[in-house]
Amino acid sequence: AQRVTQPEKLLSVFKGAPVELKCNYSYSGSPELFWYVQYSRQRLQLLLRHISRESIKGFTADLNKGETSFHLKKPFAQEEDSAMYYCALTDQTGANNLFFGTGTRLTVIP
Amino acid sequence: DTAVSQTPKYLVTQMGNDKSIKCEQNLGHDTMYWYKQDSKKFLKIMFSYNNKELIINETVPNRFSPKSPDKAHLNLHINSLELGDSAVYFCASSQVGGHTGELFFGEGSRLTVL
Repeated sequence: AQRVTQPEKLLSVFKGAPVELKCNYSYSGSPELFWYVQYSRQRLQLLLRHISRESIKGFTADLNKGETSFHLKKPFAQEEDSAMYYCALTDQTGANNLFFGTGTRLTVIP
Repeated sequence: DTAVSQTPKYLVTQMGNDKSIKCEQNLGHDTMYWYKQDSKKFLKIMFSYNNKELIINETVPNRFSPKSPDKAHLNLHINSLELGDSAVYFCASSQVGGHTGELFFGEGSRLTVL
């Protein structure tokens, strides 16, 4: 069975400081991992996917199969980064089913 | 032109009642989902529907029944509501065969059972 773990429920950093949101997963197959973000009063939306190896809003995430991790990083946090972040994994069935971690609420302190 | 819309946004009701939450998407997607977010913000998949066929049901009580009149709609009907059903319910849609894992979510429907 698939599982996504985000060990930190809350994370606070100062503006301009580096930020890392941790995500670990367990999955018997070859995983596809994602980060979703929910800003205040907005919908949950895709931030980035590991397969694209992209940087979105300054965030990057590298899939580390050895450590089964997919941590989200940004070198310099901005106030507008404050949000709820969810790590997610798809089971790669035909249905695009996503399984989410418990989420981390990031607060960037001015 | 909202992509995924849910109604109602807020629903307060008594234990034992039956209620429905509606969801519509205008993205032309072929798969729709219902997720439940509990008080601890944990998001758990409940159902997904592809071409009117239920393809997943993750240990959800049979008091919950998804109903899809067409591929643009997936409604959630709940019978005999219990206190533990209080949560935020999110509808989502995606195009299978498109970008894997990219779901488009509605704003959520907050259900409170008294």
